Amino acid sequence: DTAVSQTPKYLVTQMGNDKSIKCEQNLGHDTMYWYKQDSKKFLKIMFSYNNKELIINETVPNRFSPKSPDKAHLNLHINSLELGDSAVYFCASSQSIGGNYGYTFGSGTRLTVV
Amino acid sequence: KNEVEQSPQNLTAQEGEFITINCSYSVGISALHWLQQHPGGGIVSLFMLSSGKKKHGRLIATINIQEKHSSLHITASHPRDSAVYICAVRNTGNQFYFGTGTSLTVIP
Repeated sequence: DTAVSQTPKYLVTQMGNDKSIKCEQNLGHDTMYWYKQDSKKFLKIMFSYNNKELIINETVPNRFSPKSPDKAHLNLHINSLELGDSAVYFCASSQSIGGNYGYTFGSGTRLTVV
Repeated sequence: KNEVEQSPQNLTAQEGEFITINCSYSVGISALHWLQQHPGGGIVSLFMLSSGKKKHGRLIATINIQEKHSSLHITASHPRDSAVYICAVRNTGNQFYFGTGTSLTVIP
């Protein structure tokens, strides 16, 4: 069983469309994250939820909206997609936001906006 | 200037060599992470440190909080260690800062 699973793995879509990426973890972790890795391979955190509550919301366009229906799921919805949104998006989870807990990453979703 | 600086950016080593990757940061932190990203893109969390030293197999991570510096060492390097190694820090406000990564190639 995959610990942190993201779907879809690849997503190709046209500018202006709305799309969602789903993430689920079966580790019983309290905290989940979305990261964006750009074409230069630079990782940046976007959001973090702890027990369904938003705790980190970095400077991200409000076209990006995370939703956590329960602590095992953190989905990312993107409205009005732009070319610059093309990147690999990683979901991750950890037992808690604080303390010395490691992270488990999903395998990534490669989003290409054309 | 990035809050987290890694060196070197690229590193090529012969199989069996001892490897050191360095990470310096400029913010007060509550934890530092070392991540490994394989050529296929998957990311693995190697270590989380807030003090001292941790060892896992051939990998050793150290941190010096006073000097704001961490090192990742790989002993007896192997071609399968070829990957990008990323240093990331979390400050006391739970903000994350990432280094740009060190690309390691180990040649047989």
